[in-house]
Amino acid sequence: QKEVEQDPGPLSVPEGAIVSLNCTYSNSAFQYFMWYRQYSRKGPELLMYTYSSGNKEDGRFTAQVDKSSKYISLFIRDSQPSDSATYLCAMSAASGTYKYIFGTGTRLKVLA
Amino acid sequence: DVKVTQSSRYLVKRTGEKVFLECVQDMDHENMFWYRQDPGLGLRLIYFSYDVKMKEKGDIPEGYSVSREKKERFSLILESASTNQTSMYLCATSRGGNEQFFGPGTRLTVL
Repeated sequence: QKEVEQDPGPLSVPEGAIVSLNCTYSNSAFQYFMWYRQYSRKGPELLMYTYSSGNKEDGRFTAQVDKSSKYISLFIRDSQPSDSATYLCAMSAASGTYKYIFGTGTRLKVLA
Repeated sequence: DVKVTQSSRYLVKRTGEKVFLECVQDMDHENMFWYRQDPGLGLRLIYFSYDVKMKEKGDIPEGYSVSREKKERFSLILESASTNQTSMYLCATSRGGNEQFFGPGTRLTVL
């Protein structure tokens, strides 16, 4: 079993839809959770960073962590064609560690 | 803004060649990383460096070595390239927290 599972997609949605992207994990020691966006032929860029459980909002993006279920989500409101990209979740057990575990990414297409 | 640059976007090499991939950052970050990204496998850590001349093996160091002679520069070396090293190589940096900043990647093809 992989430490982090992420549905590869592709996920196709119409413009303006609410998108839900998810990762499950098995290691209860994970405390720090990140979402990266990766456009085609580019490196990943950090979108959201959360510590422990709860929600964090930044504009159209909301990151949610449920440690009891070992489940994290990224919600995108009012999705735009420019949101079309691969979204990677990542997590680590300690701050300042070099040990990050990445999901394989979910490819999202937002149709105009 | 943190800027992380990688020496090549695309590289084609032959089996057995020695390959150098270079990463340069301009934000004085202590930590630098080399990952490879393959479909269905995600990002896998090859090597990590937390200071000049200091390095730690990641999950898949076999067939690779690294060099960090200056703080801003981190090189990945494939001593004798093989076809199973065809991949996207990503360099990343961090100051010490959990936020990593990635370069644009080098797509390496080994024939």
